Amino acid sequence: DAGITQSPRHKVTETGTPVTLRCHQTENHRYMYWYRQDPGHGLRLIHYSYGVKDTDKGEVSDGYSVSRSKTEDFLLTLESATSSQTSVYFCANAALGGSGEQFFGPGTRLTVL
Amino acid sequence: QKEVEQDPGPLSVPEGAIVSLNCTYSNSAFQYFMWYRQYSRKGPELLMYTYSSGNKEDGRFTAQVDKSSKYISLFIRDSQPSDSATYLCAMKMDSSYKLIFGSGTRLLVRP
Repeated sequence: DAGITQSPRHKVTETGTPVTLRCHQTENHRYMYWYRQDPGHGLRLIHYSYGVKDTDKGEVSDGYSVSRSKTEDFLLTLESATSSQTSVYFCANAALGGSGEQFFGPGTRLTVL
Repeated sequence: QKEVEQDPGPLSVPEGAIVSLNCTYSNSAFQYFMWYRQYSRKGPELLMYTYSSGNKEDGRFTAQVDKSSKYISLFIRDSQPSDSATYLCAMKMDSSYKLIFGSGTRLLVRP
């Protein structure tokens, strides 16, 4: 059990509103990741973190920002939500960045109207 | 062209069949190879993990990596209805923190 919780689990919002998704881990893992999953695209990396206050962009980072002020929490913010950001968002963690073994949370289903 | 290609399926088999799931990739620098299982409306769950080439077996599951052909496989023996899920392959380079995922193959095991 990866010990990752995500909140909220479901959210419906309107275009142009800011949205923050939270990922919380009970382990002390250094690496945390945010992905989105869309039909036909699989999982695509949005942003990742390799330590407190250390973050970097993934392949689909436009329109998203992240923050990590504590080891256990990794926040994903949509500054101004658009309909193209309707998706399922997954958070993952990893003890070691090099080995690649990532463990996923249950996901957040976001709908932007 | 995507870095990792995976047939989306669905692949439908009778209970007890041997299932073969596959991914091809284009980046010869990938060294770590993983298979994840994802049930409907759940997060992906790490199933198998392999470094470099070769085979790895865990119960009914066998993962194979053929780096010369840039091809990886997951075999499921004696498939069960509970194996019905989407299977995602993932891989990464030695120097990277990031996984590159295939789009997933949906498997249906009929009772």
